[in-house]
Amino acid sequence: DVKVTQSSRYLVKRTGEKVFLECVQDMDHENMFWYRQDPGLGLRLIYFSYDVKMKEKGDIPEGYSVSREKKERFSLILESASTNQTSMYLCASSLSLGGTDTQYFGPGTRLTVL
Amino acid sequence: GENVEQHPSTLSVQEGDSAVIKCTYSDSASNYFPWYKQELGKGPQLIIDIRSNVGEKKDQRIAVTLNKTAKHFSLHITETQPEDSAVYFCAASDGSNNNDMRFGAGTRLTVKP
Repeated sequence: DVKVTQSSRYLVKRTGEKVFLECVQDMDHENMFWYRQDPGLGLRLIYFSYDVKMKEKGDIPEGYSVSREKKERFSLILESASTNQTSMYLCASSLSLGGTDTQYFGPGTRLTVL
Repeated sequence: GENVEQHPSTLSVQEGDSAVIKCTYSDSASNYFPWYKQELGKGPQLIIDIRSNVGEKKDQRIAVTLNKTAKHFSLHITETQPEDSAVYFCAASDGSNNNDMRFGAGTRLTVKP
């Protein structure tokens, strides 16, 4: 069974803080993703990584950066958190480069920025 | 880029009834259409998918139909049960790479016992 874990289920931070969200997958998947989930907007892709140290912007990368130093770990960084980044953040991984591979999701981190 | 619209946003049915969720997409190159189920407190999980070379796929009580000409696809759940209550997301991808998958806004399905 593929397992994608996220470091925190709930996180509360203050405006201006630097925030790290960690994601780990245990199935040697090539691809990893960060989405944010907001009511009525579905899942929106923030960043995507197809290999160690490789990353691509998704639809809403502004205010975020990512790091992939090891294949199994993909971090999302909010350099200076703002209240409009309050959201549910979902990490996912998939096996290969093809666009038709199943994406396996972690349980999500609900971030509140005060 | 791809744009996926999903309807309805909420759906309430009586246990044993059928539920249908519909999605439309904009990119005619899309050829892969997965459906995800998200239960409370969990991440989305794939429940069924369909590729553009077939028009219908069935797995026990769930089925997905695809109309490529009209660019829409639907999820059908028959004999609904309370454990089917969840948020369902459709998605579409052209399969060229993994970061082109786009998701619908989600449908919150409630099955009343």
